[in-house]
Amino acid sequence: QVQLQQWGAGLLKPSETLSLTCAVYDDSLLGYYWTWIRQPPEKGLEWVGEINDGGRTNYNPSLKSRVTISVDTSKKQFSLKLNSVTAADTAVYFCAREANGAFEIWGQGTMVTVSP
Amino acid sequence: QSALTQPASVSGSPGQSITISCIGTNSDLGVYNYVSWYQQHPGKAPKFLIYHVTDRPSGVSNRFSGSKSGNTASLTISGLQAEDEADYYCSAYTTSRTYVFGTGTRVTVL
Repeated sequence: QVQLQQWGAGLLKPSETLSLTCAVYDDSLLGYYWTWIRQPPEKGLEWVGEINDGGRTNYNPSLKSRVTISVDTSKKQFSLKLNSVTAADTAVYFCAREANGAFEIWGQGTMVTVSP
Repeated sequence: QSALTQPASVSGSPGQSITISCIGTNSDLGVYNYVSWYQQHPGKAPKFLIYHVTDRPSGVSNRFSGSKSGNTASLTISGLQAEDEADYYCSAYTTSRTYVFGTGTRVTVL
């Protein structure tokens, strides 16, 4: 069964760069879009962006100027970088596999806190 | 892009049916059938319930069903059970090649 395992720094200072990675186990990266979604504390889900195995990306317009999503097919990993973070970027970040217009498999989530 | 609109809370007694609405626009729900629903228990990752408006992935109870009319999608939970108490989110693909989530609905089983 496909599993996503994610990791990255959980505590950042304002203006630093958030960096998270998600590894895909027991399946290939090929043929899917791979997505990042975040959830601020006590708030709803927000789609951050996606990438396919060919490196094609789509980003949330509200984050587009600060976000980069990349993929390493040889390692079966994809990554999120969000620069110039502020307290508003404090959230649980999830990676997910997208298929048929839905997010069918999710990572366990990583809490990222931005604090001076 | 604005979040899809869901009621903040819906409640029902065990065994009853409840329906959660998800209102979008002609740039998302009104255009595509890439509508999905998710259940999230506190402290957990969301669980995938519905895709393509009405389809259930294997392993999801048939007590969960989806529909759509115009710019509004709906999730119905029939035979409400205590374990259904959770937050529920809709999601839709948009004409901007992005995705948007709903505001979320807290379901309470009385």
